[in-house]
Amino acid sequence: QVQLQESGPGLVKPSETLSLTCAVSGGSVSETYYWSWIRQSPGKGLEWIGYVYHSGITNYNPSLKSRVTLSVDTSQNQFSLRLTSVTAADTAVYYCARDRLGGGSLFTGYSHYFDFWGQGTLVSVSS
Amino acid sequence: IQLTQSPSSLSASVGDRVTITCRASQGISNYLAWYQQRPGKAPKLLIYAASTLQSGVPSRFSGSGSGTDFTLTITSLQPEDFATYYCQQLNTYLGGTFGGGTKVEIK
Repeated sequence: QVQLQESGPGLVKPSETLSLTCAVSGGSVSETYYWSWIRQSPGKGLEWIGYVYHSGITNYNPSLKSRVTLSVDTSQNQFSLRLTSVTAADTAVYYCARDRLGGGSLFTGYSHYFDFWGQGTLVSVSS
Repeated sequence: IQLTQSPSSLSASVGDRVTITCRASQGISNYLAWYQQRPGKAPKLLIYAASTLQSGVPSRFSGSGSGTDFTLTITSLQPEDFATYYCQQLNTYLGGTFGGGTKVEIK
């Protein structure tokens, strides 16, 4: 059974960079899955941040694209999130998740679902 | 693509049948998933491809729909089902979104 575990600072200052890592166990980041980050602001709903494939392919939420970088480290079996120029609006629980392809085609686009999730880590943005 | 869930909350009793609706702002075929989130926990995948039950999920959960209108049904609500439910779509070209959530509370 795949397990994911987020790690990183719980407090980040405004205008600085938020960096999180997701360690994968019971499976390999080099398998045919994508790896996503999702966040949830306190008391709010869920927001998809983006996904990364082991080849380096990425896809980001347009609302965050200018500030987000996702990467994979196959040697460490983990993937990472960097979010620059953070503000209080970036305070949230950040989840990493295994992202599985559903149906679709190159013409219509492929669908994705999140079948395994980390427990989540709260990141607060405050001075 | 926006996903609109209704209702945003509901009260029900153990044993009740519960139906939650998710409407997409444009057609998404059957590319929709449903998740359950208990307080303080990560979401859990219940259903994908609109109607396919994820392995290990009880059969009292079912999903239906295609295009823009989708439904999650829980037959015979159990105590552990009181939680918040989200629909979700993610398309390579159109990005990913979640519905606003439906909180199922005890009546």
